[in-house]
Amino acid sequence: DVKVTQSSRYLVKRTGEKVFLECVQDMDHENMFWYRQDPGLGLRLIYFSYDVKMKEKGDIPEGYSVSREKKERFSLILESASTNQTSMYLCASSLLWGSNQPQHFGDGTRLSIL
Amino acid sequence: KQEVTQIPAALSVPEGENLVLNCSFTDSAIYNLQWFRQDPGKGLTSLLLIQSSQREQTSGRLNASLDKSSGRSTLYIAASQPGDSATYLCAAGANAGKSTFGDGTTLTVKP
Repeated sequence: DVKVTQSSRYLVKRTGEKVFLECVQDMDHENMFWYRQDPGLGLRLIYFSYDVKMKEKGDIPEGYSVSREKKERFSLILESASTNQTSMYLCASSLLWGSNQPQHFGDGTRLSIL
Repeated sequence: KQEVTQIPAALSVPEGENLVLNCSFTDSAIYNLQWFRQDPGKGLTSLLLIQSSQREQTSGRLNASLDKSSGRSTLYIAASQPGDSATYLCAAGANAGKSTFGDGTTLTVKP
């Protein structure tokens, strides 16, 4: 079974801090994704990566960056956290670029910026 | 830009009832259509994925259909149980693995 693990279930940080959210998958998936989920706005794609050191912007990349140094790990970075980045963050992975393989999600990180 | 709509936003049914959840999308040039389940405070669990060349997929009591020409997909749940209570999301997949998600339908199955 695919396992996508997000490092924290709950996280509280202060405005202006640099925040790191970590995601690890154990199934050798090429594709990895970061989403945020907000009431009334649904899931929105922040960034995705289809290979080590490769990344592409999603729909809402502003205020975020990502790092993929190893195939199994995809990190989301909030360069200078702001209160409007309080949200549920979800990581996902899938097998192969452009293939008909399902996305597998982690349990999410609920991030609060004070 | 792809838009995905799920109606109704919430649904409450008695246990044992068969039900249908609806998903519509504006751009029929999709790669696949995926249905997920989300329990409160949790991530998404993949239920069914229908490739663009397929019309339906089945898993246990779940059956998902896809009509690309009309921009619609349905998730049929047979003999609903209280354990089916959750939010169900559909996602229209484009190439490169990117997907556009609906806002979900929150299902409550009453014992």
